[in-house]
Amino acid sequence: AQKITQTQPGMFVQEKEAVTLDCTYDTSDPSYGLFWYKQPSSGEMIFLIYQGSYDQQNATEGRYSLNFQKARKSANLVISASQLGDSAMYFCAMREGYTGNQFYFGTGTSLTVIP
Amino acid sequence: DTEVTQTPKHLVMGMTNKKSLKCEQHMGHRAMYWYKQKAKKPPELMFVYSYEKLSINESVPSRFSPECPNSSLLNLHLHALQPEDSALYLCASSPRQKRQGEFYGYTFGSGTRLTVV
Repeated sequence: AQKITQTQPGMFVQEKEAVTLDCTYDTSDPSYGLFWYKQPSSGEMIFLIYQGSYDQQNATEGRYSLNFQKARKSANLVISASQLGDSAMYFCAMREGYTGNQFYFGTGTSLTVIP
Repeated sequence: DTEVTQTPKHLVMGMTNKKSLKCEQHMGHRAMYWYKQKAKKPPELMFVYSYEKLSINESVPSRFSPECPNSSLLNLHLHALQPEDSALYLCASSPRQKRQGEFYGYTFGSGTRLTVV
């Protein structure tokens, strides 16, 4: 089974609007961490936001927030007030277990912001 | 500026060439990784160096060989590559997990775009 599932290969959003990128995960370990990365066309993977499985509150970082629904095993990324520079690939990822050595990536969502 | 430095940023090589990719970090991270990424796909793990121990993805062909001269430096030696090896090669590092339930993300370099001709 896929550890991380991103069901939206491509998304479009109007500039200044909010957009939600979906991510569901699969683990039987109670201890895990969820991450979102942005990858512009330049190639660098940029860390956006982190949510730990024991965190009580949803994570927020500036215009990024993570809608964490533990029972549904979902960790959707919400980008508010989209900007043209937000156009990029977005990857959801997970580390699990005590060592957390392996990093599982989803297949990614390509976001295009329309002026 | 990224704290993981990869050189070169672009590399074009022939199928008979030998070249090396370099990755350096000075954050004191004890785990470093090489990933291969094709366009519009997620990164695929190739190698892990964690506390001087190498872990290999067994699907990686032997024409790729990693080298870790010290805890800050990770090289990827390339020899007799094929055109299908053309991709973005990403290096990453991460700190040690201090306690259960606390996870750190990877810090990635900006990558080397490799073209094999």
